[in-house]
Amino acid sequence: EDKVVQSPLSLVVHEGDTVTLNCSYEVTNFRSLLWYKQEKKAPTFLFMLTSSGIEKKSGRLSSILDKKELFSILNITATQTGDSAVYLCATSNTGNQFYFGTGTSLTVIP
Amino acid sequence: SAVISQKPSRDICQRGTSLTIQCQVDSQVTMMFWYRQQPGQSLTLIATANQGSEATYESGFVIDKFPISRPNLTFSTLTVSNMSPEDSSIYLCSVMGGDAPYEQYFGPGTRLTVT
Repeated sequence: EDKVVQSPLSLVVHEGDTVTLNCSYEVTNFRSLLWYKQEKKAPTFLFMLTSSGIEKKSGRLSSILDKKELFSILNITATQTGDSAVYLCATSNTGNQFYFGTGTSLTVIP
Repeated sequence: SAVISQKPSRDICQRGTSLTIQCQVDSQVTMMFWYRQQPGQSLTLIATANQGSEATYESGFVIDKFPISRPNLTFSTLTVSNMSPEDSSIYLCSVMGGDAPYEQYFGPGTRLTVT
């Protein structure tokens, strides 16, 4: 059965800390792994990863995929209170099916 | 990325009534999806909206309860029928295709409360 598992479930850090969020997956006919940030209602797209070992970076956020070990990490450096959100990991397969993890809830304390 | 709008953004409805949620995209997209996110839960796919034909529903969701229309490549509706308090949730439209064919983008969501 295809699944996506995220860890930790929740995390509380202080501003300026660096955090690493984890996502492991088991997906048949894997195509890509996607990261989203969800603050209120709608998830906001962050990254899509398809190749192992190639880091994607956007400001203080970066992510990398390991297709051999079937996991991805999302790093956030110098965290700010505006980074507080639920971070969702999802995978897609070649049949355009998406599987979402339950998310990691990040709280950044001033 | 596509710009997606949803209407209404929120609503409070009485048990037994129905609500239709609209999703509009500013460009033609290949695929449109409807998700539900209940409090404290992750996203659950309700169905894939197919242009010009019946939607493809996931296990546990049926057309009588969640009729979906997709008359063209930029618009879809989801109706939540005969609502009960268990239908209280955030309903999200998402799209895939266009300029970024394998990336999925979400609309702003509709927060539904059933009393």
